[in-house]
Amino acid sequence: SHELTQPPSVSVSPGQTARITCSGDALPKQYAYWYQQKPGQAPVLLIYEHTKRPSGIPERFSGSSSGTTVTLTISGVQAEDEADYYCQSADSSVTYRVFGGGTKLTVL
Amino acid sequence: EVQLVESGGGLVQPGGSLSLSCAASGLSFNNYWMTWVRQAPGKGLEWVANINREGRVKHYIDSVKGRFTISRDNAKNSLYLQMNSLRAEDTGVYYCARGDMDVWGKGTTVTVSS
Repeated sequence: SHELTQPPSVSVSPGQTARITCSGDALPKQYAYWYQQKPGQAPVLLIYEHTKRPSGIPERFSGSSSGTTVTLTISGVQAEDEADYYCQSADSSVTYRVFGGGTKLTVL
Repeated sequence: EVQLVESGGGLVQPGGSLSLSCAASGLSFNNYWMTWVRQAPGKGLEWVANINREGRVKHYIDSVKGRFTISRDNAKNSLYLQMNSLRAEDTGVYYCARGDMDVWGKGTTVTVSS
Protein backbone atom coordinates (compact mmCIF):
# COMPACT_ATOMS: atom_id res chain seq x y z
CA SER A 1 0.00 0.00 0.00
CA HIS A 2 1.06 3.55 -0.63
CA GLU A 3 1.84 5.67 2.41
CA LEU A 4 2.96 9.25 2.88
CA THR A 5 4.90 10.19 6.02
CA GLN A 6 4.94 13.69 7.48
CA PRO A 7 6.35 15.00 10.77
CA PRO A 8 3.50 15.54 13.26
CA SER A 9 4.60 19.06 14.13
CA VAL A 10 6.88 21.89 13.10
CA SER A 11 7.48 25.11 15.05
CA VAL A 12 8.99 28.34 13.78
CA SER A 13 9.19 31.97 14.82
CA PRO A 14 7.55 34.68 12.71
CA GLY A 15 9.68 35.69 9.74
CA GLN A 16 11.62 32.42 9.70
CA THR A 17 11.39 29.66 7.12
CA ALA A 18 9.34 26.52 7.76
CA ARG A 19 9.99 23.30 5.89
CA ILE A 20 7.53 20.41 6.00
CA THR A 21 8.56 17.13 4.44
CA CYS A 22 6.51 14.30 3.00
CA SER A 23 8.05 10.93 2.14
CA GLY A 24 6.64 8.10 0.05
CA ASP A 25 7.92 5.43 -2.30
CA ALA A 26 5.63 6.48 -5.16
CA LEU A 27 6.62 10.15 -5.07
CA PRO A 28 9.30 9.85 -7.76
CA LYS A 29 6.54 8.74 -10.15
CA GLN A 30 3.45 10.57 -8.87
CA TYR A 31 2.84 14.26 -8.37
CA ALA A 32 2.45 15.63 -4.86
CA TYR A 33 -0.10 18.17 -3.72
CA TRP A 34 -0.08 20.28 -0.55
CA TYR A 35 -3.07 21.60 1.40
CA GLN A 36 -3.52 24.00 4.27
CA GLN A 37 -6.36 23.47 6.72
CA LYS A 38 -7.33 25.85 9.49
CA PRO A 39 -9.67 24.78 12.32
CA GLY A 40 -13.26 24.39 11.22
CA GLN A 41 -12.45 25.08 7.58
CA ALA A 42 -12.11 23.00 4.43
CA PRO A 43 -8.61 22.34 3.09
CA VAL A 44 -7.13 24.80 0.59
CA LEU A 45 -4.79 23.72 -2.19
CA LEU A 46 -1.37 25.39 -1.84
CA ILE A 47 0.83 23.47 -4.28
CA TYR A 48 0.04 21.07 -7.11
CA GLU A 49 2.22 18.84 -9.29
CA HIS A 50 5.11 19.12 -6.83
CA THR A 51 5.96 22.78 -7.44
CA LYS A 52 3.10 24.74 -9.03
CA ARG A 53 1.16 27.35 -7.09
CA PRO A 54 -2.53 28.10 -7.84
CA SER A 55 -3.50 31.69 -8.44
CA GLY A 56 -4.15 33.54 -5.21
CA ILE A 57 -1.67 31.55 -3.14
CA PRO A 58 1.10 33.80 -1.74
CA GLU A 59 4.59 33.40 -3.21
CA ARG A 60 6.00 32.53 0.22
CA PHE A 61 4.57 29.04 -0.30
CA SER A 62 6.71 26.82 -2.52
CA GLY A 63 7.17 23.14 -3.23
CA SER A 64 10.14 21.02 -4.18
CA SER A 65 10.91 17.38 -4.85
CA SER A 66 13.92 15.12 -4.44
CA GLY A 67 13.60 11.38 -4.87
CA THR A 68 11.07 9.94 -2.46
CA THR A 69 10.67 13.19 -0.52
CA VAL A 70 8.74 16.33 -1.32
CA THR A 71 8.99 19.51 0.73
CA LEU A 72 6.66 22.41 1.37
CA THR A 73 8.60 25.57 2.20
CA ILE A 74 6.99 28.60 3.78
CA SER A 75 9.30 31.59 3.64
CA GLY A 76 8.81 34.50 6.03
CA VAL A 77 6.24 32.66 8.12
CA GLN A 78 3.35 34.78 9.37
CA ALA A 79 1.05 34.18 12.33
CA GLU A 80 -1.81 33.45 9.91
CA ASP A 81 0.15 30.48 8.54
CA GLU A 82 -0.48 28.52 11.74
CA ALA A 83 -2.52 25.55 10.50
CA ASP A 84 -2.41 21.87 9.62
CA TYR A 85 -0.65 20.96 6.37
CA TYR A 86 -1.25 17.80 4.37
CA CYS A 87 0.51 16.26 1.40
CA GLN A 88 -1.40 14.07 -1.07
CA SER A 89 -0.44 11.83 -3.92
CA ALA A 90 -1.61 8.85 -5.94
CA ASP A 91 -0.32 5.31 -5.67
CA SER A 92 1.90 4.04 -8.48
CA SER A 93 -1.08 2.68 -10.45
CA VAL A 94 -3.01 5.96 -10.06
CA THR A 95 -5.91 4.05 -8.51
CA TYR A 96 -5.90 5.34 -4.97
CA ARG A 97 -5.18 8.73 -3.50
CA VAL A 98 -3.45 9.01 -0.16
CA PHE A 99 -2.93 11.83 2.30
CA GLY A 100 -0.04 12.16 4.66
CA GLY A 101 -0.89 12.20 8.34
CA GLY A 102 -0.66 15.97 8.50
CA THR A 103 1.76 18.41 10.11
CA LYS A 104 0.69 21.02 12.62
CA LEU A 105 2.61 24.23 12.06
CA THR A 106 2.97 26.34 15.19
CA VAL A 107 4.11 29.96 14.88
CA LEU A 108 5.87 30.79 18.13
CA GLU B 1 -16.88 31.22 -9.08
CA VAL B 2 -16.59 27.48 -8.62
CA GLN B 3 -18.76 26.20 -5.77
CA LEU B 4 -19.27 22.75 -4.30
CA VAL B 5 -22.02 22.36 -1.71
CA GLU B 6 -22.44 19.12 0.20
CA SER B 7 -25.65 18.04 1.89
CA GLY B 8 -27.29 14.99 3.40
CA GLY B 9 -25.23 14.51 6.54
CA GLY B 10 -26.79 13.68 9.88
CA LEU B 11 -27.05 11.25 12.76
CA VAL B 12 -27.57 7.60 11.91
CA GLN B 13 -27.42 4.38 13.91
CA PRO B 14 -24.74 1.76 13.27
CA GLY B 15 -25.80 -0.42 10.37
CA GLY B 16 -27.90 2.34 8.88
CA SER B 17 -27.66 4.19 5.58
CA LEU B 18 -27.16 7.76 4.48
CA SER B 19 -26.97 9.43 1.09
CA LEU B 20 -24.75 12.46 0.56
CA SER B 21 -25.02 14.91 -2.32
CA CYS B 22 -22.66 17.52 -3.71
CA ALA B 23 -24.06 20.26 -5.95
CA ALA B 24 -21.54 21.86 -8.27
CA SER B 25 -21.74 25.26 -9.92
CA GLY B 26 -19.41 27.55 -11.85
CA LEU B 27 -17.58 24.71 -13.59
CA SER B 28 -18.02 22.33 -16.52
CA PHE B 29 -18.89 19.48 -14.19
CA ASN B 30 -18.69 16.76 -16.82
CA ASN B 31 -15.07 17.66 -17.57
CA TYR B 32 -13.77 16.57 -14.18
CA TRP B 33 -13.18 13.51 -12.09
CA MET B 34 -14.79 14.05 -8.69
CA THR B 35 -13.72 12.91 -5.24
CA TRP B 36 -15.06 12.33 -1.73
CA VAL B 37 -12.71 12.90 1.22
CA ARG B 38 -13.56 12.50 4.90
CA GLN B 39 -12.09 13.63 8.20
CA ALA B 40 -12.83 11.95 11.51
CA PRO B 41 -13.06 14.26 14.53
CA GLY B 42 -9.57 15.46 15.47
CA LYS B 43 -7.96 13.31 12.77
CA GLY B 44 -6.40 13.82 9.36
CA LEU B 45 -7.82 13.76 5.87
CA GLU B 46 -8.77 10.43 4.32
CA TRP B 47 -9.50 9.92 0.61
CA VAL B 48 -12.69 7.85 0.26
CA ALA B 49 -13.58 7.46 -3.41
CA ASN B 50 -13.43 9.04 -6.82
CA ILE B 51 -15.29 8.74 -10.12
CA ASN B 52 -14.37 9.54 -13.69
CA ARG B 53 -16.06 12.07 -15.95
CA GLU B 54 -18.59 9.63 -17.42
CA GLY B 55 -19.27 7.84 -14.13
CA ARG B 56 -17.99 4.50 -15.40
CA VAL B 57 -14.71 4.25 -13.47
CA LYS B 58 -14.89 4.28 -9.69
CA HIS B 59 -12.24 3.72 -7.05
CA TYR B 60 -12.71 3.25 -3.30
CA ILE B 61 -10.58 3.03 -0.21
CA ASP B 62 -10.57 -0.57 1.03
CA SER B 63 -12.46 0.21 4.24
CA VAL B 64 -15.61 1.29 2.35
CA LYS B 65 -15.62 -1.16 -0.55
CA GLY B 66 -18.93 -2.99 -0.76
CA ARG B 67 -20.61 -0.48 1.58
CA PHE B 68 -20.29 2.89 -0.19
CA THR B 69 -21.22 3.75 -3.77
CA ILE B 70 -20.09 6.89 -5.55
CA SER B 71 -22.13 8.15 -8.48
CA ARG B 72 -22.82 11.30 -10.44
CA ASP B 73 -25.48 12.94 -12.58
CA ASN B 74 -23.81 15.24 -15.09
CA ALA B 75 -27.17 16.63 -16.22
CA LYS B 76 -27.74 17.86 -12.66
CA ASN B 77 -24.11 18.82 -11.96
CA SER B 78 -24.26 16.60 -8.92
CA LEU B 79 -22.07 14.03 -7.15
CA TYR B 80 -23.40 11.46 -4.72
CA LEU B 81 -22.18 9.06 -2.06
CA GLN B 82 -24.52 6.29 -0.94
CA MET B 83 -23.33 4.94 2.39
CA ASN B 84 -24.71 1.64 3.70
CA SER B 85 -23.86 -0.55 6.69
CA LEU B 86 -22.45 2.47 8.46
CA ARG B 87 -20.00 2.04 11.32
CA ALA B 88 -18.88 4.29 14.14
CA GLU B 89 -15.55 4.75 12.37
CA ASP B 90 -17.37 6.33 9.40
CA THR B 91 -18.14 9.35 11.59
CA GLY B 92 -16.67 12.60 10.34
CA VAL B 93 -16.93 15.51 7.96
CA TYR B 94 -17.35 14.47 4.33
CA TYR B 95 -16.01 16.78 1.65
CA CYS B 96 -16.49 16.63 -2.08
CA ALA B 97 -13.65 17.92 -4.22
CA ARG B 98 -13.00 18.55 -7.88
CA GLY B 99 -10.50 16.56 -9.91
CA ASP B 100 -7.10 16.45 -8.25
CA MET B 101 -8.78 18.05 -5.22
CA ASP B 102 -8.07 21.64 -6.21
CA VAL B 103 -11.49 22.90 -5.14
CA TRP B 104 -13.38 21.68 -2.06
CA GLY B 105 -16.81 22.11 -0.58
CA LYS B 106 -17.31 23.10 3.05
CA GLY B 107 -18.31 19.57 4.02
CA THR B 108 -21.26 17.82 5.63
CA THR B 109 -21.09 16.03 8.98
CA VAL B 110 -21.95 12.35 9.37
CA THR B 111 -22.35 10.90 12.86
CA VAL B 112 -22.81 7.16 13.32
CA SER B 113 -23.93 6.46 16.86
CA SER B 114 -26.61 4.66 18.80
